[in-house]
Amino acid sequence: LAKTTQPISMDSYEGQEVNITCSHNNIATNDYITWYQQFPSQGPRFIIQGYKTKVTNEVASLFIPADRKSSTLSLPRVSLSDTAVYYCLVGDMYSSASKIIFGSGTRLSIRP
Amino acid sequence: NAGVMQNPRHLVRRRGQEARLRCSPMKGHSHVYWYRQLPEEGLKFMVYLQKENIIDESGMPKERFSAEFPKEGPSILRIQQVVRGDSAAYFCASSPQEQVRVTQYFGPGTRLTVL
Repeated sequence: LAKTTQPISMDSYEGQEVNITCSHNNIATNDYITWYQQFPSQGPRFIIQGYKTKVTNEVASLFIPADRKSSTLSLPRVSLSDTAVYYCLVGDMYSSASKIIFGSGTRLSIRP
Repeated sequence: NAGVMQNPRHLVRRRGQEARLRCSPMKGHSHVYWYRQLPEEGLKFMVYLQKENIIDESGMPKERFSAEFPKEGPSILRIQQVVRGDSAAYFCASSPQEQVRVTQYFGPGTRLTVL
């Protein structure tokens, strides 16, 4: 199972672009990369998922280099409401939920 | 379409009492997952259930903890003889199928405090 490593915390300011990088050196061929967002006192919320290259939705973009050993979640023009913990998860289509590890995530703080 | 529902949102118990946490999955979802989160930590998988079956309970303590997902009604996570170390947020998630590529939808959690 691919282990992920991401920064414990990050700070930024409103209106900036924020990039959170996750390392997953042991990612397997069938693994997908998924990012969740968790606000205080709430359950995690799915943000984005990808396999390779670039994926974009209304919330974020996910950049995955060719070797897939890392991925970068990009949040454009952040606001105070983007203050949350962001989790990077790696697993394949047929993994049981028990094999997916959330880890401690990256605590993102946005300042005015 | 209502999301995942959990109740109660907050639960206070004294040491030795029982705690019952309920989870109603999203409509059409037949897979339920329970996670525990300690303060400032990530989520830890506890158990995965389908209707009337426990599929994977590898993350659940062997003693005092049990889970069920009956044919009718919500999934229940039961903690007997609670201790202070059981104080945590317990999250339930559901999905229409087990494949991880399919998003898990999380409930708002139940915050258990053991006095």
